[in-house]
Amino acid sequence: KQEVTQIPAALSVPEGENLVLNCSFTDSAIYNLQWFRQDPGKGLTSLLLIQSSQREQTSGRLNASLDKSSGRSTLYIAASQPGDSATYLCAVDTGANSKLTFGKGITLSVRP
Amino acid sequence: NAGVMQNPRHLVRRRGQEARLRCSPMKGHSHVYWYRQLPEEGLKFMVYLQKENIIDESGMPKERFSAEFPKEGPSILRIQQVVRGDSAAYFCASSPGWGNEQYFGPGTRLTVT
Repeated sequence: KQEVTQIPAALSVPEGENLVLNCSFTDSAIYNLQWFRQDPGKGLTSLLLIQSSQREQTSGRLNASLDKSSGRSTLYIAASQPGDSATYLCAVDTGANSKLTFGKGITLSVRP
Repeated sequence: NAGVMQNPRHLVRRRGQEARLRCSPMKGHSHVYWYRQLPEEGLKFMVYLQKENIIDESGMPKERFSAEFPKEGPSILRIQQVVRGDSAAYFCASSPGWGNEQYFGPGTRLTVT
């Protein structure tokens, strides 16, 4: 059974800092991995999708990497801003009907 | 192209009533997924549907919960005889096909009193 872990559960950083959010999963036989952002009381916004054959994806200040063999992914946020404050969720698609298995998320607070 | 739409956004039901949650996928998407987010827990898969077919309902409670995605109209998640433990945020996602990126709706927050 696939399990996804995100540690720590919460993180507070000063504005401008570069930061890395970690995600680990127990079964390396994945189809793809998605990173999402969730604002309080809102839905999920897809940030990046990495296919299992890819090593990384980039979008603006965000860069996500994937190491399937070690069961790890990282989301790198450059020059963090207060508007980046949200919960960041990692989700793994094991290919079994594409149902996503989610971590519990990392709640990020960027202090002005 | 409008995103995934869910309604209502907030729903309050008394114990024993029925709750109906609706999801309209993005245009061109024929695959719909329902997830539930319980307080202090992560999102959990419930059911995966394609038009007129339930493909995978392995995450659905065996009783009181049902889902459909008819040929015409939105996908419906139905919860009969709601209990307090059903209080949660219910999210719908859609994709154009198997293995593609899933796009999420804003969710329906169900409160059972």
